[in-house]
Parts: sequence; C-alpha cells; structure tokens
Amino acid sequence: GAVVSQHPSWVICKSGTSVKIECRSLDFQATTMFWYRQFPKQSLMLMATSNEGSKATYEQGVEKDKFLINHASLTLSTLTVTSAHPEDSSFYICSVSLGVTGEAFFGQGTRLTVV
Amino acid sequence: AQSVTQPDIHITVSEGASLELRCNYSYGATPYLFWYVQSPGQGLQLLLKYFSGDTLVQGIKGFEAEFKRSQSSFNLMKPSVHWSDAAEYFCAVGGGRGSYIPTFGRGTSLIVHP
Repeated sequence: GAVVSQHPSWVICKSGTSVKIECRSLDFQATTMFWYRQFPKQSLMLMATSNEGSKATYEQGVEKDKFLINHASLTLSTLTVTSAHPEDSSFYICSVSLGVTGEAFFGQGTRLTVV
Repeated sequence: AQSVTQPDIHITVSEGASLELRCNYSYGATPYLFWYVQSPGQGLQLLLKYFSGDTLVQGIKGFEAEFKRSQSSFNLMKPSVHWSDAAEYFCAVGGGRGSYIPTFGRGTSLIVHP
C-alpha cells in the first residue's frame, strides 16, 4: 500500500482568511493525488485531481480560485482554501491511487471550521 | 458510467452478532471492487479488495466479502461484530472513468449495541 499523511488534522480560522492543507505521500511517488470533500453523514465528493508539475483538474462546480491546489513534488500536494467562509467548513481528505484499479489510500483528513 | 449502490444508510447489530453490508455496482466489464471503513473524524482505511480469482476475499479485522457477478454485488460480511467495528463503511468500484479514480457508494453507518 501507500502511507499518506495529511496535516493539519483540524483547523479553525476566521472568515476571510486562507488555510493551507498539506498531503504527503510518505512511501510512494505520486504523480497524481486527489482531494475530496465530505459533508456530515455523506460520501466523498471528488473536488480535484492534483497533477505533479502541472495544473490541477477540477470537478464541475468546484471553484478553482477558491480551492488552490499545488503539487510541486512527487510527495506533496497542498490545498489552499482562500478567503474562507463558513460554508467552506467541511472535512477535506486527500488520497493517492496506485494505478488503474483505482485502489486508493487516504490521508487522515482535515476538519476545517470557519468562524 | 460506473456506479455503486449501498441500499442501507444505517445498520444496527448487537455485539457478537453477524453482519452483512450490501453493495451493488454497475460496470460494463469486470470491476475492481473495494470496501473501506471510516471511523469518526478519520480518513478511509482499505478493508479488502477484489480484482480477480477467488470470489470470496478476506480482509483485515476479520472482514470478508463475496463477489457475485450474476447479482452485481460485493457484500461485506463479518461473523461476529465487535463494538469497535462501529463506523462508516464505503463500497467502491475502480477501473472505470479516469481509471485512477474510484467511484464510492454513499456509505452505510454501522451501529453496534452492547
């Protein structure tokens, strides 16, 4: 498998500020990582595919200027929630996929609360 | 397009009882199938997977799942549930759109009574 570390595990920020979430693949060089958002008692919603060395691919309806993704190395992808608002409060999870089977390994998730 | 249906939003069982969580998929070819578990406030952990071969697969924590092509199902089972099994369970299918991106079911919440 792959070990994925996500940081921070929780964060509280004020409206209008920006928050950065890091996702590290500790033992696997990931050219692609994925960012999900999860609402309470719901499944995962794919937000974007993070591509090492190039622009992220965003899912329909996800604001790319709001959710900035940077994948500068094979082991690190970051998600920055810009000008956060209370409606951005959610659980954000990153993952890496080992190949064409879709087998995925997940970070621990980040609980974002915007006050 | 591939899809996954988990018909049960909640399942309640008594500790020590057997468990079966249902999962049905829609996919044109032989699917890659997964079960994940999510404890509160945590990411998802892979329980088991099916790619090919023996249709009864063993996973971690005493879980197993059976692939039934005729029923397009991949149900998760455990003979004796422990209180620590209370969590959210997600079935997923891979190998379709984008290949690297699995499609998840909506999840089933398992409640365990003492």
